Amino acid sequence: DAKTTQPTSMDCAEGRAANLPCNHSTISGNEYVYWYRQIHSQGPQYIIHGLKNNETNEMASLIITEDRKSSTLILPHATLRDTAVYYCIVLAGSGTYKYIFGTGTRLKVLA
Amino acid sequence: GAVVSQHPSWVICKSGTSVKIECRSLDFQATTMFWYRQFPKQSLMLMATSNEGSKATYEQGVEKDKFLINHASLTLSTLTVTSAHPEDSSFYICSARWDGQETQYFGPGTRLLVL
Repeated sequence: DAKTTQPTSMDCAEGRAANLPCNHSTISGNEYVYWYRQIHSQGPQYIIHGLKNNETNEMASLIITEDRKSSTLILPHATLRDTAVYYCIVLAGSGTYKYIFGTGTRLKVLA
Repeated sequence: GAVVSQHPSWVICKSGTSVKIECRSLDFQATTMFWYRQFPKQSLMLMATSNEGSKATYEQGVEKDKFLINHASLTLSTLTVTSAHPEDSSFYICSARWDGQETQYFGPGTRLLVL
């Protein structure tokens, strides 16, 4: 079973920030949170990952709560090309390196 | 960096034949490669984990004799679907990671249609 839960779908206006939440209440102290997105009929694309501190790269920002039980991926200025399914992932177990995909959030960016 | 390729990108085959899918890490040595399957409108499901030079570890419910995985080098893993049937039609995706790194990098996927 997936160790994360996400809303099934979200809409966002083009040019606005898209905030995608994820709950991972059973996360262990040394487990990272990973975010990927999958555009239709393609392989998942790595976006960002984090452990405790907030992270930012050229694609997105990741905000992790202090208790690490949830996080939010922020796309600061969503474009139509950001329409995709976004997956929040925690490893299946320490030392396994296995990802268990949940259902993800289907983000639709509207013109 | 961290590019993973798959070949072929799509394949159509007759029922009962075998199909081989290749997964290559182009710019890094992949300690571990993973194979996933994705049915329409569903999430990715992990099939197996393969480490270079050792036997693959299959997830529960995945038939190892039907889905043969070989990881003979640090840049290549293959998935062979043996005696394919229409229910094996799916989108097969591989990913790879290198030693000391948890992050997986995914290939573009291979769409298999069994007639």
